[in-house]
Amino acid sequence: DQQVKQNSPSLSVQEGRISILNCDYTNSMFDYFLWYKKYPAEGPTFLISISSIKDKNEDGRFTVFLNKSAKHLSLHIVPSQPGDSAVYFCAAALSGNTGKLIFGQGTTLQVKP
Amino acid sequence: DGGITQSPKYLFRKEGQNVTLSCEQNLNHDAMYWYRQDPGQGLRLIYYSQIVNDFQKGDIAEGYSVSREKKESFPLTVTSAQKNPTAFYLCASSPQAVETQYFGPGTRLLVL
Repeated sequence: DQQVKQNSPSLSVQEGRISILNCDYTNSMFDYFLWYKKYPAEGPTFLISISSIKDKNEDGRFTVFLNKSAKHLSLHIVPSQPGDSAVYFCAAALSGNTGKLIFGQGTTLQVKP
Repeated sequence: DGGITQSPKYLFRKEGQNVTLSCEQNLNHDAMYWYRQDPGQGLRLIYYSQIVNDFQKGDIAEGYSVSREKKESFPLTVTSAQKNPTAFYLCASSPQAVETQYFGPGTRLLVL
């Protein structure tokens, strides 16, 4: 049972345009969400996070939006750059002091020059 | 220069052999984690440890074992009971259990 889903395996955008990566979840007990970026054969790099008490968090070119009623979050990258080309994973953490993260399958973003 | 190191980068396992993957961190983090990534899939949690001398099974712990004797170290042993060990293994740590996790560079395990 996939509790965190990234339904788009891949996304291609032009340099300078907006990239929107989507993530859906099923468990209403998730209270903290994160986005990671991963290059092949490397470990994921933390990008941005959001608590369930917020609906938006912004850090430079990266903004994460959370819609709790729809159980949906999205990552916006503006403007997109070729160096943003990577696999992006969303992850969710359950409330309580476990530290367990549940990851989506990932979306491969390609930013074309 | 703080961070998480994993060794080796590539590891080959023969049939019936146990192998141990190393994970070391000098970030003074309390919590450490082991994940497995298979092609086209997300990361799945194998084991995690919130504090020294304590660890819990994740979602796919069968065929794996861990120890946490020191705060800095969280080695993962892939035993012969793990029938499909070929994967990319990632170690992570966080200051405490509910905080952001930071990942090492990973170890790719291949079966000969």
